[in-house]
Amino acid sequence: GAGVSQSPRYKVAKRGQDVALRCDPISGHVSLFWYQQALGQGPEFLTYFQNEAQLDKSGLPSDRFFAERPEGSVSTLKIQRTQQEDSAVYLCASSREPQSVETQYFGPGTRLLVL
Amino acid sequence: AQSVSQHNHHVILSEAASLELGCNYSYGGTVNLFWYVQYPGQHLQLLLKYFSGDPLVKGIKGFEAEFIKSKFSFNLRKPSVQWSDTAEYFCAVNRGGGATNKLIFGTGTLLAVQP
Repeated sequence: GAGVSQSPRYKVAKRGQDVALRCDPISGHVSLFWYQQALGQGPEFLTYFQNEAQLDKSGLPSDRFFAERPEGSVSTLKIQRTQQEDSAVYLCASSREPQSVETQYFGPGTRLLVL
Repeated sequence: AQSVSQHNHHVILSEAASLELGCNYSYGGTVNLFWYVQYPGQHLQLLLKYFSGDPLVKGIKGFEAEFIKSKFSFNLRKPSVQWSDTAEYFCAVNRGGGATNKLIFGTGTLLAVQP
C-alpha cells in the first residue's frame, strides 16, 4: 500500500527565502509528526498533530517555523526567512492511532539546503 | 528531559559475525522502546518495538532486542549478520501513555558488513 510521501524531495533555498514542505500521510492515519534530522544526528521532534489539531509544537526551533494540517490529512511545514542552520532533512511520520505504542511510519524526507 | 544514548557510532563487521548495538535511555517512568533502521537510499522503517510483556522482543530479519529495566537499556542483537544488514540503526523511546507520543532518538549507529 501507499506509504508516507513528502515533496519536494530536495530543496535548495537562498538565505532569507521562505519554503514550504509537504507531507501526505498514510490514508486514515490520525497522528502526524514532523522531525528534523541534521547531518550525523538522529531525528529531532518538531511538532505533532492529532487530526487537524496541533497538540504539541514544543520542538519548533523558532517562530520562523510553522506547521498546519487543516483538514486532518495533508500537512505543510513552512519555514520563513530561512537561515543556514535550517539545512537538514525534514521527516514526516504518521501513525494509525494516537496511542504511544503505535508504530510511526516515516516518509523519505525533504532534504533542505540553505545557501 | 528524556535522552537516548547509542554507544557505537560506527561498527564494521564481517558477514556471519554476531551483532550487538547498545542503547540506553534516561527516563524513570513507563517507556515504549523502538529500533528503526535506514537502509542506504531508503526511509526509516521499524525493526522492532517493546511496550509491555516479554522483555525479549523479536523483530524482522532475525533481529531481537532485550529490555533491561534496571539498566535502562534496550540493546539490539543479531546472531549472524549479512551484507544486506548494512544500514544505519536508530534507537528511540517515547513515554508510555504520553500526550504526544513523540519519539526521542539516539544519534544512530552506522553498521557496515563486509562480505
